[in-house]
Amino acid sequence: DVKVTQSSRYLVKRTGEKVFLECVQDMDHENMFWYRQDPGLGLRLIYFSYDVKMKEKGDIPEGYSVSREKKERFSLILESASTNQTSMYLCASSLLGIRDRDLTGELFFGEGSRLTVL
Amino acid sequence: AQSVAQPEDQVNVAEGNPLTVKCTYSVSGNPYLFWYVQYPNRGLQFLLKYITGDNLVKGSYGFEAEFNKSQTSFHLKKPSALVSDSALYFCAVRANTGGFKTIFGAGTRLFVKA
Repeated sequence: DVKVTQSSRYLVKRTGEKVFLECVQDMDHENMFWYRQDPGLGLRLIYFSYDVKMKEKGDIPEGYSVSREKKERFSLILESASTNQTSMYLCASSLLGIRDRDLTGELFFGEGSRLTVL
Repeated sequence: AQSVAQPEDQVNVAEGNPLTVKCTYSVSGNPYLFWYVQYPNRGLQFLLKYITGDNLVKGSYGFEAEFNKSQTSFHLKKPSALVSDSALYFCAVRANTGGFKTIFGAGTRLFVKA
């Protein structure tokens, strides 16, 4: 089975702190994604990556950055956390072949990281 | 622009009864449609998908979904609900004209009462 592991299930940070959320997948997937989940809004895409050192902005990238130095690891960075970034953050990976233009692959999600910014 | 609507915030059903969770979508081009389930404090799990072919798709845990192109719908169904089906369900869509983004609905909470 595909396993997507998010390093922290629960975090509490203060406004202005730098926050790192780490995600590792073990199935050699090329594509990785960061979403945030908020009640009534569903999941919104922050950033995604289809290759090492490659990144693409999603729908709500403001206030976030990402890093993908190794294929299995995709990190989300909040440079200066704010209270409106309090949310559940979900990492996902997929066999979706962006370079092959294959749209059929489903996403595999981690357990989520619930971030509270005070 | 792609969009997904789940018109019901919550669906209540008695155990043993059939359940339906509704989803409609809007895309340009051919849609690829997905259902995911989320149990409390967990990530999302894939249930089923429609890519092409038969409009009735069968998935995990006895769930199925029917793709209706004319109504742009992809409703999730199960003939006999279980208490353990109680969870949050998300419909999602992807289309080649929308890049490779997967767009999610807001989610529908299903309560199955014993």
